[in-house]
Amino acid sequence: GIQVEQSPPDLILQEGANSTLRCNFSDSVNNLQWFHQNPWGQLINLFYIPSGTKQNGRLSATTVATERYSLLYISSSQTTDSGVYFCAVDTYSGAGSYQLTFGKGTKLSVIP
Amino acid sequence: DGGITQSPKYLFRKEGQNVTLSCEQNLNHDAMYWYRQDPGQGLRLIYYSQIVNDFQKGDIAEGYSVSREKKESFPLTVTSAQKNPTAFYLCATRDRTNTGELFFGEGSRLTVL
Repeated sequence: GIQVEQSPPDLILQEGANSTLRCNFSDSVNNLQWFHQNPWGQLINLFYIPSGTKQNGRLSATTVATERYSLLYISSSQTTDSGVYFCAVDTYSGAGSYQLTFGKGTKLSVIP
Repeated sequence: DGGITQSPKYLFRKEGQNVTLSCEQNLNHDAMYWYRQDPGQGLRLIYYSQIVNDFQKGDIAEGYSVSREKKESFPLTVTSAQKNPTAFYLCATRDRTNTGELFFGEGSRLTVL
């Protein structure tokens, strides 16, 4: 099956710093999503981005499907950005259905 | 209030007991999913359902069972056959089975004593 690799696995930032999280995938995908899991376990949708670039406030994402990677940019980080960031890719699993495969996540800690 | 409701949020059970986790949605989404998350790990797919009265095994279905009698509901039973059931369980939905955006409930944390 498809492999989804996220890097770095852990990241510690000073509040106000910028960061880039990466998601590599081993095969063609139909779409890609980025999620933020907060310390209470809730998974929040950040971006639904099969290709191109999107921005939402201090966060932006770029997916280059032909080169099989996506990047999540966090600017001016805040302590509330702490948590785990997952990317997930959609691949065809047969019989007209698709499945999401998740990476193992990047754990981000933003310190004041 | 729209969304995905999972209950209970926390559950403690003795070893050997079956447990049923509830997932209800009012988003009118067709597809529903159950994922398991272990500490420090990613999400693994247990079961999914694309339509009522139909469901498919995911990557780690052994020891679990589901039903989909109504579009709004997709309960997960953790049976005594599941060797290591202590985990965080997440239910998700999306409006199309192929390219729709996935949305998650708040999760249920199961601890087996």
